[in-house]
Amino acid sequence: KQEVTQIPAALSVPEGENLVLNCSFTDSAIYNLQWFRQDPGKGLTSLLLIQSSQREQTSGRLNASLDKSSGRSTLYIAASQPGDSATYLCAVPRGGADGLTFGKGTHLIIQP
Amino acid sequence: NAGVTQTPKFQVLKTGQSMTLQCAQDMNHEYMSWYRQDPGMGLRLIHYSVGAGITDQGEVPNGYNVSRSTTEDFPLRLLSAAPSQTSVYFCASSLGQTGVEAFFGQGTRLTVV
Repeated sequence: KQEVTQIPAALSVPEGENLVLNCSFTDSAIYNLQWFRQDPGKGLTSLLLIQSSQREQTSGRLNASLDKSSGRSTLYIAASQPGDSATYLCAVPRGGADGLTFGKGTHLIIQP
Repeated sequence: NAGVTQTPKFQVLKTGQSMTLQCAQDMNHEYMSWYRQDPGMGLRLIHYSVGAGITDQGEVPNGYNVSRSTTEDFPLRLLSAAPSQTSVYFCASSLGQTGVEAFFGQGTRLTVV
């Protein structure tokens, strides 16, 4: 059974810092990995999708990397802003079944 | 482009009542799914559908029923609500089952008293 772990569970940093969120998964036979953002009381917004053949994906100040062999992905946020405050979730396809397995998220607070 | 639309946004039910959570997508996606999100548990898959007329169970299907009569709609039915079904429910859709981006609705916050 695929399991996804996100570290840290919570993070509070001053505005302007660069930061890294971590995601690890137990079954490396994945098709892709997706990072989401969730604002309080809201739905999930897709940030980046990395295919298994890719090493990284970039969107603006966000950069996600994928190392299948070690079962790890990182989300790098450059020059953080208060608007980046949210919960960040990573998800991978469920091993041998449909749907996604999610980590429990990293709750990020960017202090103005 | 509306994406994935869920209704209602909030609902309070009494134990034993039934209701249907609606989900509609306008992206012509074949694959749709329902998740519930609970504190400390993360998101868990309830049911999914790979196309009209085809549904299957996910990780936590008990107490829920689904059908898929059209590509656009994938309603989730609670047959007899229980307090353990108090949760936030999310509907998602994607072009396929794997290797593609998943899009989520805004969620339905359900409280069963």
